Amino acid sequence: EAQVTQNPRYLITVTGKKLTVTCSQNMNHEYMSWYRQDPGLGLRQIYYSMNVEVTDKGDVPEGYKVSRKEKRNFPLILESPSPNQTSLYFCASSLGLARSPLHFGNGTRLTVT
Amino acid sequence: AQKVTQAQTEISVVEKEDVTLDCVYETRDTTYYLFWYKQPPSGELVFLIRRNSFDEQNEISGRYSWNFQKSTSSFNFTITASQVVDSAVYFCALSEVKGANNLFFGTGTRLTVIP
Repeated sequence: EAQVTQNPRYLITVTGKKLTVTCSQNMNHEYMSWYRQDPGLGLRQIYYSMNVEVTDKGDVPEGYKVSRKEKRNFPLILESPSPNQTSLYFCASSLGLARSPLHFGNGTRLTVT
Repeated sequence: AQKVTQAQTEISVVEKEDVTLDCVYETRDTTYYLFWYKQPPSGELVFLIRRNSFDEQNEISGRYSWNFQKSTSSFNFTITASQVVDSAVYFCALSEVKGANNLFFGTGTRLTVIP
C-alpha cells in the first residue's frame, strides 16, 4: 500500500530535550516536505526536499532541522524544543511537479512543556 | 507572492442543506494549480481535487462540485445535500509552476453538519 508513515503519532516532551520525528514514504517520490498545523493558521511549511541531499527552508524553519540522506526518509529534528513548537506536524511527499498532489502522513501531535 | 484566503473560519449547516466553501487566491504566475483537501475529525489530510489554471470548466463529483473563476481568482467548493460525514476542515491550496512547486495552504474552513 502506498503511504507516508510518520512516527510517533503522539509525543510529549520537555523544553530543551532533543527529539526526532521520522517520516518514510514507499512511493519513490522525489519531493518531501514537513508542515505544521496550528489553529487559525492552517498548514505552514517548515522544510522541503526536492531530492536526496537537497533541502530548503519553507515559511517557518526556525528551530527545526531536516536531512535527506535517502530518498524514502525525511526526518524532522528539533534540537532544543520550546513550547511554541507544540503543534500538529505532517510529513508529505509527491512526484515533485506543481500538478502533483501531496500525500500526507497521519500526523504527529507534539506537546512541549 | 502567493496567497490563499479562506475567509470562512467556521460554517454550520443542517443536514441536507447545500453549502459553499470560498477560496480566493493570489499569484503572479500564469500557470498554477489549485487543490482542495479534506481533514475529517480523525485528522488525516485527504486530497479531493486538483485544477490547473488553464482549465476553467467546473467539475462535479457526486455531491461535490467546484467552481473555478480566473476572473475573480476564486476556486469555490460546493457540497450539495450535505451529510454528517462531510463534517471536516477543508483546505484550499495553491501550487505555482515556477519555483520549487511547494503547496501553499489557506487557513481552512471548519464545516459542521448538524443532523
